[in-house]
Amino acid sequence: QSVLTQPPSVSAAPGQKVTISCSGSSSNIGSNDVSWYQQLPGTAPKLLIYENNKRPPWTPDRFSASKSGTSATLGITGLQTGDEGDYYCGTWDRSLSVWVFGGGTKLTVL
Amino acid sequence: QVTLRESGPALVKPTQTLTLTCTFSGFSLTTPRMCVTWIRQPPGKALEWLARIHWNDDKYYSASLNTRLTISKDTSRNQVVLTVTNMGPVDTATYYCARVPTPEPRGEADYWGQGILVTVSS
Repeated sequence: QSVLTQPPSVSAAPGQKVTISCSGSSSNIGSNDVSWYQQLPGTAPKLLIYENNKRPPWTPDRFSASKSGTSATLGITGLQTGDEGDYYCGTWDRSLSVWVFGGGTKLTVL
Repeated sequence: QVTLRESGPALVKPTQTLTLTCTFSGFSLTTPRMCVTWIRQPPGKALEWLARIHWNDDKYYSASLNTRLTISKDTSRNQVVLTVTNMGPVDTATYYCARVPTPEPRGEADYWGQGILVTVSS
């Protein structure tokens, strides 16, 4: 049981938009920044979003994110088959003094 | 150019101690606020955070594994070492190390190693 809750799976057609939610509490998302990670099949995770909504240089602007209260959301527009994989949210939990990940969301581009 | 590479045994026996080394380049663990973290992923399962070491030698451990984990650094060799005692089959996983350029309130892992698959079996 992960501290951060994500939907197990989402799907959409190529070219469409999808959102992935990440729900936490006041001790984690409510207190610290959220980052998002993309893990394509057979590869190491890669940082997608940091500090709630900032993109590193390698992240296309098709990817966006936001945070409100104790929840965060990742959005992907213009879906491509190459976006298929697992997506994880993460943040620090100040009560537990540990980093926590969501359980991951499997994205399928139909 | 930032790179990290995990090294260690691919196979360990139950009850043995696992020692993994993360060798990195392109940054220094003497830089204020710099950290290195370890994360693992059992086959087909989610990411699990294990431990983090800070530039000032502060250390943080997973609550569920903290009695079995030890993280340390050798700044002269640009290495971070993770030991996991009393390995069991449930510890079979790919182990990743990653750079954390600044801790909370951010704490994101921006560069990751390729990972090393460790199997626990007799």
